[in-house]
Amino acid sequence: GIQVEQSPPDLILQEGANSTLRCNFSDSVNNLQWFHQNPWGQLINLFYIPSGTKQNGRLSATTVATERYSLLYISSSQTTDSGVYFCAVSDSGGYQKVTFGTGTKLQVIP
Amino acid sequence: GAVVSQHPSWVICKSGTSVKIECRSLDFQATTMFWYRQFPKQSLMLMATSNEGSKATYEQGVEKDKFLINHASLTLSTLTVTSAHPEDSSFYICSARRLGGNEQYFGPGTRLTVT
Repeated sequence: GIQVEQSPPDLILQEGANSTLRCNFSDSVNNLQWFHQNPWGQLINLFYIPSGTKQNGRLSATTVATERYSLLYISSSQTTDSGVYFCAVSDSGGYQKVTFGTGTKLQVIP
Repeated sequence: GAVVSQHPSWVICKSGTSVKIECRSLDFQATTMFWYRQFPKQSLMLMATSNEGSKATYEQGVEKDKFLINHASLTLSTLTVTSAHPEDSSFYICSARRLGGNEQYFGPGTRLTVT
């Protein structure tokens, strides 16, 4: 199956700093999503981004499908950004099986 | 739109009993639903893919007789953990894919503790 690696595994930021999270995947994918899992376990959809670039407020994401990676940018980080960020990819099979990445745990300190 | 609910949000049960978890798409129809398990400080692991009206497809290593999945309608899938044991304690999360769509929408999760 597809392997999905995220980096860095852990990240501590001062409030107001910017960061870039990376997601590498081992094979061609149909879909890619970024999620934020809050401390209560809820997964929040951030981006559906199989290719190209999208922006939503302080967050933006870029996927370069031909090079098998995606980047999530967080600007002017806030303490509420803390949590774990996952990317998840879908393969091209009939059910489009989803594989989650290893996650990046982000802590934003005031 | 695209809201997925799970019930219950948390449950404690005794070893040997069975627990049913419901996953509902509230404002859309979902032909495909997915069940995941997440252990502390780990990523989500896909357990099974559930399609309305057909048998679920289980991932390697997931016991189909222990984790019974029923996708009876376009808005409801259920996961029953049969004869639960302490090692089944985990966070179970479902997701749903909208009819004709590609994005997955996740439920809030169910925390299961087996004593």
